[in-house]
Amino acid sequence: DTEVTQTPKHLVMGMTNKKSLKCEQHMGHRAMYWYKQKAKKPPELMFVYSYEKLSINESVPSRFSPECPNSSLLNLHLHALQPEDSALYLCASSPLAGPDTQYFGPGTRLTVL
Amino acid sequence: EDQVTQSPEALRLQEGESSSLNCSYTVSGLRGLFWYRQDPGKGPEFLFTLYSAGEEKEKERLKATLTKKESFLHITAPKPEDSATYLCAVRTSYDKVIFGPGTSLSVIP
Repeated sequence: DTEVTQTPKHLVMGMTNKKSLKCEQHMGHRAMYWYKQKAKKPPELMFVYSYEKLSINESVPSRFSPECPNSSLLNLHLHALQPEDSALYLCASSPLAGPDTQYFGPGTRLTVL
Repeated sequence: EDQVTQSPEALRLQEGESSSLNCSYTVSGLRGLFWYRQDPGKGPEFLFTLYSAGEEKEKERLKATLTKKESFLHITAPKPEDSATYLCAVRTSYDKVIFGPGTSLSVIP
């Protein structure tokens, strides 16, 4: 089973709202990732968690706050977003945070009004 | 500077017309090269991982090859359902993953 699940599939929020994106995997992977993808562009890495510790933060604005409660779950907390943050947010996992293959979830389509 | 490029940007093929997609990279040490397929509005679907020059992998109508500077994704006798964007990604020696811009493939019946 190489499934990564993400909820919700779609999210519309105002600039003053607080919301969270959720990601779950049950493959025993120890690395999890958040990516942002704008239309017709490749995914851009935001955060990497390895063994539930944040190991890479690609200079993402503080209005995005990641959380890894355990090895199977990854959250992305959103607060005071801007319209330009509208994008497809992808979660991925890999066995380890090394050269291992990353497996992606279906994504959450976020629209900020 | 680490860089991954893909060509062509877009490709239209007739059903059954074989072709190749290119991924060229300039990175500080290659720890893996990945091919993904992505349908509109969905997450990338893993296809292949290649680790060293000379390595080849096949899956149905797709075959991926790797040299020291580039990778090719060969599509043999494509079908309309192969239409998608094909992404190449490289993991560098610093464990950073860099995606190429993708090739949009359309297979016409």
